[in-house]
Amino acid sequence: SYELTQPLSVSVALGQTARITCGGDNIRSKNVHWFHQKPGQAPVLVIYRDTNRPSGIPERFSGSNSGNTATLTISRAQTGDEGDYYCQVWDSSPGVVFGGGTKLTVL
Amino acid sequence: VQLVESGGGLVQPGGSLRLSCAASGFTFNNYWMHWVRQAPGKGLVWVSRINSDGSSTSYADSVKGRFTISRDNAKNTLYVQMSSLRPEDTAVYYCARSSGGMDVWGQGTTVTVSS
Repeated sequence: SYELTQPLSVSVALGQTARITCGGDNIRSKNVHWFHQKPGQAPVLVIYRDTNRPSGIPERFSGSNSGNTATLTISRAQTGDEGDYYCQVWDSSPGVVFGGGTKLTVL
Repeated sequence: VQLVESGGGLVQPGGSLRLSCAASGFTFNNYWMHWVRQAPGKGLVWVSRINSDGSSTSYADSVKGRFTISRDNAKNTLYVQMSSLRPEDTAVYYCARSSGGMDVWGQGTTVTVSS
């Protein structure tokens, strides 16, 4: 079955740029979605189909997908951006795959 | 636009439980739907999905044969019937709408499998 690999943690200084990676075999051939989850809350979709932002998500959030790595980029990081980030793709079987999650800390 | 899960609780190993997810604010029968779970302190794990008219379903290997997803479009409600529950099924269960990505999530309902 398909696997997605994320770093366990990423740290970024306040106001700087954070990059969270999601690795998978030829992931560029798949649509990658990204979610942000704060403690005790449901996940929130922040990027869909590699590069698209849902309504209400700041332009500071962007995505890319190339080769074997998809990347979520958060510019001008804020304390409210802290939490866990998950990538997700559809796979032929059985269906949906999530990455293990990355904890973002804003210093 | 809202999803509200219910039906969680404490159940003994081997027991059964049915979770519900009530949808409002959108045309429910236009969307595929998912169940996703999260064990305490762990990451998101996909459980199951169903297409818009209920004619097609799929399951994670870990729940195949034990869980059944269904929907009642007349009642705008998604279900998952869980049987032969195991301690490792303990988690918060979320329902989510599928539109591009999973763009709307419920607040989750907690299932605890313990004797």
